Amino acid sequence: KQEVTQIPAALSVPEGENLVLNCSFTDSAIYNLQWFRQDPGKGLTSLLLIQSSQREQTSGRLNASLDKSSGRSTLYIAASQPGDSATYLCAVRGGPTSGTYKYIFGTGTRLKVLA
Amino acid sequence: DAGITQSPRYKITETGRQVTLMCHQTWSHSYMFWYRQDLGHGLRLIYYSAAADITDKGEVPDGYVVSRSKTENFPLTLESATRSQTSVYFCASSEIRAPNEKLFFGSGTQLSVL
Repeated sequence: KQEVTQIPAALSVPEGENLVLNCSFTDSAIYNLQWFRQDPGKGLTSLLLIQSSQREQTSGRLNASLDKSSGRSTLYIAASQPGDSATYLCAVRGGPTSGTYKYIFGTGTRLKVLA
Repeated sequence: DAGITQSPRYKITETGRQVTLMCHQTWSHSYMFWYRQDLGHGLRLIYYSAAADITDKGEVPDGYVVSRSKTENFPLTLESATRSQTSVYFCASSEIRAPNEKLFFGSGTQLSVL
């Protein structure tokens, strides 16, 4: 059974810092991995999607890496801003070997960027 | 408007009542999902569907029923609501192949069972 863990559960940093959020998963037979952002009281918004064959994806100040063999992904946020304050979740999608294409989520990292 | 919409946005009901949460997507995505989000548990998959008339259980399916007679709709029914089903419910959709393989979420339904 796939399990996804995110550490730390909460993080507080001063504005301008570069930071790394971690995601680990137990079954390396994944189809892809997505990072999401969730603002309070809102739905989730997809930030980056990494295919199982890829090592990283970049979008603006965000960079996500994937090491399938070790069951790890990181989300790097450069030059953090107060507007980056939100909860960040990762999710892995099963693929043909698991027989399903469902997403399993981590519990998220709550990020606060202090002005 | 294109996208995925959930209704109602907020719902208060009583123990034992039947409740249906609606989900509608305009992209014709094959896959649709229902999640519940609770403090301390994160997002847990209730049911998902790979196509019209094809549904399967997720991690926490007990007490819930789904149907998918049309590709665009995926309603979730609580047959006899219990207090433990108080939660925020999210519907999501996606395809398997690019460019629509990202998972898109609705705004959620906040359900309170009294």
